Amino acid sequence: AQKVTQAQTEISVVEKEDVTLDCVYETRDTTYYLFWYKQPPSGELVFLIRRNSFDEQNEISGRYSWNFQKSTSSFNFTITASQVVDSAVYFCALSDYSSNTGKLIFGQGTTLQVKP
Amino acid sequence: EPEVTQTPSHQVTQMGQEVILRCVPISNHLYFYWYRQILGQKVEFLVSFYNNEISEKSEIFDDQFSVERPDGSNFTLKIRSTKLEDSAMYFCASSGQGFSYEQYFGPGTRLTVT
Repeated sequence: AQKVTQAQTEISVVEKEDVTLDCVYETRDTTYYLFWYKQPPSGELVFLIRRNSFDEQNEISGRYSWNFQKSTSSFNFTITASQVVDSAVYFCALSDYSSNTGKLIFGQGTTLQVKP
Repeated sequence: EPEVTQTPSHQVTQMGQEVILRCVPISNHLYFYWYRQILGQKVEFLVSFYNNEISEKSEIFDDQFSVERPDGSNFTLKIRSTKLEDSAMYFCASSGQGFSYEQYFGPGTRLTVT
């Protein structure tokens, strides 16, 4: 069965600190996709990144970076030099081939608070 | 930039009443979804819709729920007889390609059942 675990419920950092949000997933499929979404206080879900199971290259986008490791079934998200605007709930999600409809299985989310 | 829109932003209804939540997906997208998020909890899949039919539904999506794409632009979620536990944020999402591609979410409809 598919499952996504975000063990960190809440993280609080001071502005300019680096922070890593953990995501561990479970799937029996060899073909799957992983996603991160951001949910700011306004409530919408904002797409951040998609990564397929065959591409283990790390990705960097500005202050954001993602580390995908199949050996540990993890897809962690790091924010470098955090800012107050990064305060949000961050969700990791999985879509695998057993569900050919693309449904997303979300983790519980990690609430990140960045203090000035 | 194209976006998914949802109306209303907030709906208050009494238990037992029917509600229809409306969504306008991104115009060239083919796959449509409804998710819900009970306050403070994770986002849960309800149903996916492709080629004018349901392609998958979760155990939450029981006979009280239905979806429809009545025209070329709208995508609706109907709850026939609301229960207190239906109170949640309902998100519509659309995707251009389905399985492997990112879904773009609407701003959500907050449903409050009293």
